[in-house]
Amino acid sequence: AQSVSQHNHHVILSEAASLELGCNYSYGGTVNLFWYVQYPGQHLQLLLKYFSGDPLVKGIKGFEAEFIKSKFSFNLRKPSVQWSDTAEYFCAVNGKMDSSYKLIFGSGTRLLVRP
Amino acid sequence: DTGVSQDPRHKITKRGQNVTFRCDPISEHNRLYWYRQTLGQGPEFLTYFQNEAQLEKSRLLSDRFSAERPKGSFSTLEIQRTEQGDSAMYLCASSIVRDTQYFGPGTRLTVL
Repeated sequence: AQSVSQHNHHVILSEAASLELGCNYSYGGTVNLFWYVQYPGQHLQLLLKYFSGDPLVKGIKGFEAEFIKSKFSFNLRKPSVQWSDTAEYFCAVNGKMDSSYKLIFGSGTRLLVRP
Repeated sequence: DTGVSQDPRHKITKRGQNVTFRCDPISEHNRLYWYRQTLGQGPEFLTYFQNEAQLEKSRLLSDRFSAERPKGSFSTLEIQRTEQGDSAMYLCASSIVRDTQYFGPGTRLTVL
C-alpha cells in the first residue's frame, strides 16, 4: 500500500537548535517528494520539492531535504531554527506514473520552537 | 492575492442537512483537487478534475458526496445528508498538469 510515515508527531526545540524531521514512504514506483508547511492560522504552503536530479534539495527559509532512494526517505533539515518556524510540517509523495498526481501525505509533525 | 480561494471558511450544520463548498483555483491551473483532513492526520485525496472532467474519485468519497467543475474554472463539493463523521477540513488545491499543487485555506465543516 502507498503510505508516508512521519516518525515524530511533536518536536520541541529551542531557537538556534538544529532540526531534522524524518519521512519515509512506501510506494511501488518512482516518486516525486514534497514537504509542505502550515503556519498557525495559515494554509498549506510548499516548502520544497524533489522531482529529479540532485537529491539534496534546498527550499525556502533555509530548509533543505535529502532524498535517499535506498532508504525510501526524504528527511527535512534546518541547521538553526527560529521561533517563526513553529508550524506543522507534512511530507507528501506522488507517483510519476500516476496520471492523477494525487498527493499522499504523512500525518504531520508539529514543531514548537521556544524563544 | 491570486492564490486558491475557498468559501465558506467555516460551516456548522446539523446532521442530515446538505452542504456545498466552493473552490476557486489559480486562474491558469487546469487541475483541481479536493482533499479532506481530520484532526491529527494529513490531508487525504478525495477527487480531482482536469478542466471540467472528473477523472478519479477516492473510495473515501461516498455516494453522498458529489463534486463538479462545470466550466473548468471553479469547483463545488456537495455533501448530502451530512453525518458527524463528515466533520473535517475540506481542502482544495490546484495545479498545472503534473506540477506542484497549491492549496487553499480550506473549509472547516462541523456537523452537530
